Amino acid sequence: DIQMTQSPSSLSASVGDRVTITCHTSHDIGNYLNWYQQKSGRAPKLLIYDASNLETGVPSRFSGSGSGTDFTLTITSLQPEDFATYFCQHYDGLPITFGGGTKVEMK
Amino acid sequence: QVQMQESGPGLVKPSETLSLTCVVSGGPISDHYWSWIRQPPGKGLEWIGYIYYSGSTNYSPSLESRVTISVDTSKNQFSLKMRSVTAADTAVYYCARYNWSAYYFDSWGLGTLVIVSS
Repeated sequence: DIQMTQSPSSLSASVGDRVTITCHTSHDIGNYLNWYQQKSGRAPKLLIYDASNLETGVPSRFSGSGSGTDFTLTITSLQPEDFATYFCQHYDGLPITFGGGTKVEMK
Repeated sequence: QVQMQESGPGLVKPSETLSLTCVVSGGPISDHYWSWIRQPPGKGLEWIGYIYYSGSTNYSPSLESRVTISVDTSKNQFSLKMRSVTAADTAVYYCARYNWSAYYFDSWGLGTLVIVSS
């Protein structure tokens, strides 16, 4: 199985801050990585697919980068609605696995 | 846009079988892969498995011995059975559509909490 390690597991930030979340995979997965946002009590929502492509309707302050084993999700100017938990997910074969999540909390 | 709704008992006794159903509306089930994913309280997401409308399945190796996913195309729904449950199976269970051409989960149910307890 491909192991997904996200860091940090949580962070505190203020509105307007730049936030960076990383996802490290145990094997080279090319760009076969997606990012999801999950708000409390809600189902996850796709933000980024294929490591760097913004899903339709997602604000441009979100961006993804990376390939191989190291990936980054960046929020350039954190907004109040962005306080949530973020997960990475690979699709380089089965089983599909997710990162442990990064909770973005208000400072 | 496809909508999905999970249903089933919220409380299951240890050693018994957990059974959930996901009804799909707004689109046919005869395309894509239909998945179950779970999330223990305060923890991350775990993929359980998925089924294609033809009935072809793939499961997580860690759960494969206890899990069966089935599909009923006439009712536009699919189901999960998990046998011999323990407290470790307590989680919110989500059904989700795995877009096979884009390789991501693009629609999710609201999730249903299943507690395993006597």
